[in-house]
Amino acid sequence: LAKTTQPISMDSYEGQEVNITCSHNNIATNDYITWYQQFPSQGPRFIIQGYKTKVTNEVASLFIPADRKSSTLSLPRVSLSDTAVYYCLVGDMKPGRRALTFGSGTRLQVQP
Amino acid sequence: KAGVTQTPRYLIKTRGQQVTLSCSPISGHRSVSWYQQTPGQGLQFLFEYFSETQRNKGNFPGRFSGRQFSNSRSEMNVSTLELGDSALYLCASSWEETQYFGPGTRLLVL
Repeated sequence: LAKTTQPISMDSYEGQEVNITCSHNNIATNDYITWYQQFPSQGPRFIIQGYKTKVTNEVASLFIPADRKSSTLSLPRVSLSDTAVYYCLVGDMKPGRRALTFGSGTRLQVQP
Repeated sequence: KAGVTQTPRYLIKTRGQQVTLSCSPISGHRSVSWYQQTPGQGLQFLFEYFSETQRNKGNFPGRFSGRQFSNSRSEMNVSTLELGDSALYLCASSWEETQYFGPGTRLLVL
């Protein structure tokens, strides 16, 4: 299982773009990169997922370099409600192989 | 589509008791995974069920067990509860490569 390393915490202000980078040096060929957002006492909420290059949806972008040893979650124009813990998850997502290991996550604090 | 639902949302038990938690996956999802989340250990994988078969298991004692029914609903059982089992138990259902989490069941063991 690919181990991930993320910053423990980050601070930002409303309206700024936030980039959270995750390192996963031993990512395997079948591994996907998935980011989740979690608020206290709630289940993680799926944000975005990718395998390579760039993925964008209505809430975030995910940048994955060619060697796939890292990835960057980009949150455009954050608001106070984006204050949460963000998890980078790397693993094989095929049924029966999802023994997924979550790291410690990045605690994002957005201030007014 | 309705999301993943978990019942009950909150539960208080005493040491030595057993508990059963329930999870209903998103309609059409056949894979259900269970996780335990505690402040000290973070999110840890318990097991995954696919088509009523346990396909993968994390590093938890045999007191933790589960099953999946033909309609993909899943239950998790913890026997002989210990204080350290107090946690948020999360269920996730999957469609292809994407996993969606439920709101969790908060278990407090006294």
